Amino acid sequence: DAGVIQSPRHEVTEMGQEVTLRCKPISGHDYLFWYRQTMMRGLELLIYFNNNVPIDDSGMPEDRFSAKMPNASFSTLKIQPSEPRDSAVYFCASSLAVRGNQPQHFGDGTRLSIL
Amino acid sequence: RKEVEQDPGPFNVPEGATVAFNCTYSNSASQSFFWYRQDCRKEPKLLMSVYSSGNEDGRFTAQLNRASQYISLLIRDSKLSDSATYLCVVTHGSGNTGKLIFGQGTTLQVKP
Repeated sequence: DAGVIQSPRHEVTEMGQEVTLRCKPISGHDYLFWYRQTMMRGLELLIYFNNNVPIDDSGMPEDRFSAKMPNASFSTLKIQPSEPRDSAVYFCASSLAVRGNQPQHFGDGTRLSIL
Repeated sequence: RKEVEQDPGPFNVPEGATVAFNCTYSNSASQSFFWYRQDCRKEPKLLMSVYSSGNEDGRFTAQLNRASQYISLLIRDSKLSDSATYLCVVTHGSGNTGKLIFGQGTTLQVKP
């Protein structure tokens, strides 16, 4: 089975530009998570969805960040306008509806560099 | 105080050594616990779940102490390929929210 698929794998762009990151979760998974990872702050949860509905966006840094999940097989994380401090690795993960120990499965990540 | 705390290391050990990582969590309502492994420039991957009675998977043993809110991972007969960052992960609270809290990770370097 295909795992979580993210695109692009790498993105380099100038500050002020709009950045859109994409994610396809594992088929049948009910939860989708967006994370950001930096050396300084580690892995931070930005937002997550259950059945396409945003449940907790308290980790979204500011209004420049937005996320959508129009259907069960696709989600986007958008940064507009981008800033150099947004440079990080952004991971998408998905999991089944939670009963007992349900781990999350991560995509390969998008390495974002804002110049 | 962070919700999940780990010693960042690095732990530098020779091949064949036994090494133990510890982790503490602050939310007593947390119900599920995991160890993830992350290789350099790769995504985190589930290593093993942690069960109340303790569990073993080959050379890896995980323990949970709910009273002390403490989780451990023991690696026996360490291999070069065990070199990675190990992330302690707990669920956020008792509800079925799906939300996981990740520790900062402990880095292990196994040397020949």
